[in-house]
Formats: sequence, structure tokens, C-alpha cells
Amino acid sequence: GESVGLHLPTLSVQEGDNSIINCAYSNSASDYFIWYKQESGKGPQFIIDIRSNMDKRQGQRVTVLLNKTVKHLSLQIAATQPGDSAVYFCAGLSEGSARQLTFGSGTQLTVLP
Amino acid sequence: KAGVTQTPRYLIKTRGQQVTLSCSPISGHRSVSWYQQTPGQGLQFLFEYFSETQRNKGNFPGRFSGRQFSNSRSEMNVSTLELGDSALYLCASSWGTAAEQYFGPGTRLTVT
Repeated sequence: GESVGLHLPTLSVQEGDNSIINCAYSNSASDYFIWYKQESGKGPQFIIDIRSNMDKRQGQRVTVLLNKTVKHLSLQIAATQPGDSAVYFCAGLSEGSARQLTFGSGTQLTVLP
Repeated sequence: KAGVTQTPRYLIKTRGQQVTLSCSPISGHRSVSWYQQTPGQGLQFLFEYFSETQRNKGNFPGRFSGRQFSNSRSEMNVSTLELGDSALYLCASSWGTAAEQYFGPGTRLTVT
């Protein structure tokens, strides 16, 4: 089945710098890949998604890159702010009969002043 | 538009008891999914309901069950609670097949 993971459990960046959070997946069954942000005491919050037939998608201060050749996904956050401190999850979603989100283990992003 | 709401937010139960958690999706959303989040296992899919029918189910024992009502509100039930059921239970809603699922704040269940 689908397996989604993350490269680093923690990441610290200076305020104002760019952040890159990485994620790897094991097979190509997902139709979408999604990034979620989870702040302490809250549920995951949708950030951005990308269809499996795309390689890049940009949002407000965020860019997701998908490299299907090496089965790798990344989330880039520009000009990281203190409010970006949270746990970030990547997830894969298949639209077929087994439609469900499969989450990676999460990366704790800490923004240093 | 109001977000996904879950009740109760916190719950303490004893082993062997049963528990029912409630989720109210965003107005107009017909799909409700449930997830269990623990430090050891991360976020794991429990099941998804769409128009009162269970559409998908994760790899959890039969003690975990759910249902959805005609107004799309959903409940999940865990019977014969075990210590390992202590977790944050999250509910997410979406309009249909969209990837964008909106999560509630979760119910923190502690089993003693």
C-alpha cells in the first residue's frame, strides 16, 4: 500500500529565511499529495495540494514540488515567520475505491527569532 | 462559514467502557472522515462516510465504528476501551471528492 514519510523530524530556521520540508513516498498510487500544518492543540490545516500529473504548484508564500522520478515531495516556505512554527505533514490521497489520506510522520518546524 | 466542530474536546474513560464522539462538518460538506492521532503511530485513517454510507475503512478493529446522519453529522463509537485507544481523534469534512479536507480541533480521549 501507500507509504508516506518525512526526512527530518525537526527543522529550525531563522525568521525571514526560506524553509524546505521534504517528504518521500513509496508508490505512485496517490492522485494528490497534500501538505498540512498542525499547530499545538489544533487539527491539521490544509496548506496546498498538487495533483500527481503536476511537478510544481505555488500558493501564497508556499511552493510544493513533486518529483515522481525519485518519489519525492517538498514544501518550500518563503520568508518564514514565527507563525509558521508548527508540525508539517505530507499526505497522499487516492481517488479510487480506497479513497483515504495516508499521512507521513511529520516535521516540527521551529522559527528562531 | 463555521468550521468543523467536534464534541467533546476532552474525555477521560476507564478501560472496558465505551465512548461516542461527535463531529459536525462544514455546512454543505457531505463527506466526513475520522482519524486517530498518536505520538507513536501518527495520523491514521479510521473510516469515511459519504451520504450516510461508509465508503472506506482503515485497518482498525471492529470495536471502532461510526455512522453518519442525514444532516451529514457523524459519530464514532469505540467499545471496550483499551489503554492504547488514548489518542486525539480528528474528524475532517470535504464537499465530495476534493483533496481539500477540513479538520476539526479533535477530541482528546484518555483511557485509564
